[in-house]
Amino acid sequence: EAQVTQNPRYLITVTGKKLTVTCSQNMNHEYMSWYRQDPGLGLRQIYYSMNVEVTDKGDVPEGYKVSRKEKRNFPLILESPSPNQTSLYFCASSWDRKGTGELFFGEGSRLTVL
Amino acid sequence: AQKVTQAQTEISVVEKEDVTLDCVYETRDTTYYLFWYKQPPSGELVFLIRRNSFDEQNEISGRYSWNFQKSTSSFNFTITASQVVDSAVYFCALSGGNAGNNRKLIWGLGTSLAVNP
Repeated sequence: EAQVTQNPRYLITVTGKKLTVTCSQNMNHEYMSWYRQDPGLGLRQIYYSMNVEVTDKGDVPEGYKVSRKEKRNFPLILESPSPNQTSLYFCASSWDRKGTGELFFGEGSRLTVL
Repeated sequence: AQKVTQAQTEISVVEKEDVTLDCVYETRDTTYYLFWYKQPPSGELVFLIRRNSFDEQNEISGRYSWNFQKSTSSFNFTITASQVVDSAVYFCALSGGNAGNNRKLIWGLGTSLAVNP
């Protein structure tokens, strides 16, 4: 089954404790992206990647890091989480490396930073 | 700058009513792509449709239809004979075709649709 898998789905952590949200897709997509969703602000892009070893900032990259060492994986790293990073996070992938194609989303990861 | 506006924040209808969700966009790109996504209460985001700027034909898929009008920069979504399972937040999104405006989607803030039995 074609899917994008995120882990963990739910996480409560404390300020400053490094965490990684994993994302993996099995569709051989070149394009992958991370979004955060906040009430009243909608969906905002954090980072995206058009290919292995190619990543670029989206609209709200501060406080986040990503890597794309393999085509299927695109982890989101919060080196020192802060409460303003409490949010619902979505990973997405697309067959179109420019990101103009249909996006396949993971189920979301709800992160709470205390 | 690119922008997507969904003026309707919340809509409530009774089952079997038809409902139209409005989407107005702004872009200077000559080539662009428009999307609708659905987010049901379970939280996942589900793709509904992608339309490129050169294809103004309306599209129908079962009870869903989309009306794309470049003259008014609108890409409206109609659900015919709504059902309770249609209750969700619906997002309209835009991706520019020109370099610099592609590679990401510009999202509207969504319209929350409640279909009551």
